[in-house]
Amino acid sequence: QQQVKQSPQSLIVQKGGISIINCAYENTAFDYFPWYQQFPGKGPALLIAIRPDVSEKKEGRFTISFNKSAKQFSLHIMDSQPGDSATYFCAASMNSGYSTLTFGKGTMLLVSP
Amino acid sequence: EAGVAQSPRYKIIEKRQSVAFWCNPISGHATLYWYQQILGQGPKLLIQFQNNGVVDDSQLPKDRFSAERLKGVDSTLKIQPAKLEDSAVYLCASSALAGGFQETQYFGPGTRLLVL
Repeated sequence: QQQVKQSPQSLIVQKGGISIINCAYENTAFDYFPWYQQFPGKGPALLIAIRPDVSEKKEGRFTISFNKSAKQFSLHIMDSQPGDSATYFCAASMNSGYSTLTFGKGTMLLVSP
Repeated sequence: EAGVAQSPRYKIIEKRQSVAFWCNPISGHATLYWYQQILGQGPKLLIQFQNNGVVDDSQLPKDRFSAERLKGVDSTLKIQPAKLEDSAVYLCASSALAGGFQETQYFGPGTRLLVL
């Protein structure tokens, strides 16, 4: 059972455009939603994360929008740059003392110059 | 601050052979994770250690995979015997435990395994 569904699988955006990646979850006990960025040959790195007590979190060009009732959250990358080209994973966990992350399948983003 | 170290970076073996991966977490991180990342998919947790105790190994194929974290620092993951479907990147991650909550997981570069 896939507990975190991510779309699209791949995305091509022009430089300066907005990249949007969506995730949906099933487990209502999830209360921590991070996004990870992974470059080829590297491990995933935390980009931004949100907890369900807020509907939006912004850090620079990256924004997470969270809809608790719909059990959905999304990543928006404003003014996308070629250096943003990477694979992005959404994830979810229950932030208890022994929580584990459940990852989506990933979105491969290509920002064309 | 040094990151999570893993070795080797690449490994090619034939099916039915054995292989071992090593991970050195960030200093002071009590929690260590091993993930399997198959091409085109997100990381899947294999096992989680809290210090030198196992917290979650529910998705570890125990008939062929084993892991240990002696002294609560370094960890090794072993596959014996390997199957073709074990071809993947094996990621190690670590996190600190603060106030009863897990902090950010930091990932190593991974070991890319190819089973022929």
